[in-house]
Amino acid sequence: GENVEQHPSTLSVQEGDSAVIKCTYSDSASNYFPWYKQELGKGPQLIIDIRSNVGEKKDQRIAVTLNKTAKHFSLHITETQPEDSAVYFCAASNPLNYNQGGKLIFGQGTELSVKP
Amino acid sequence: NAGVTQTPKFQVLKTGQSMTLQCAQDMNHEYMSWYRQDPGMGLRLIHYSVGAGITDQGEVPNGYNVSRSTTEDFPLRLLSAAPSQTSVYFCASSYSRDDIQYFGAGTRLSVL
Repeated sequence: GENVEQHPSTLSVQEGDSAVIKCTYSDSASNYFPWYKQELGKGPQLIIDIRSNVGEKKDQRIAVTLNKTAKHFSLHITETQPEDSAVYFCAASNPLNYNQGGKLIFGQGTELSVKP
Repeated sequence: NAGVTQTPKFQVLKTGQSMTLQCAQDMNHEYMSWYRQDPGMGLRLIHYSVGAGITDQGEVPNGYNVSRSTTEDFPLRLLSAAPSQTSVYFCASSYSRDDIQYFGAGTRLSVL
């Protein structure tokens, strides 16, 4: 079945360094790839997303890249700050699952820790 | 803006008990979903709804029931709780099938 693998499961960086989280998906028909940030005790919140007609998208310190041939996409956070510490989830969606509107397959999550 | 509201935030049940997790959204979203979150497994889809009166099963539906009588509400029912249902449950909604999903704050459930 559909699957999304996410690595690493934990990541620790110094404040100001960059962080990279990678995901690989199995369903080649997937065309929507969101990234969610989950702070302690809260629900996931969308931070950036990308669709398959775009190879890269950037929003201030956050960027996402997509390689459809290799079926993987990555989240890049530059100039990390302590408030970036959270669990990050990638996800993939196949629009051909028409009647399953918005169905997302999530990765396992990455716990990012930014040390001051 | 309330967004997606889940109640209760915490719940402890005994094996065999039943309960309903409530989810309400005030954004007039057609699509609503329930996920469970377990350590190392990300979020897994339990049930979803594409509109009032329409529901369907997700990846892990066993032991759970849902209904969607209104656009706003999408309750999740545990008919006979089991320890394997100990988890954090999230409700999400989106305007359309290709739109951003908004999550509630979650319900942390323990079944003893």
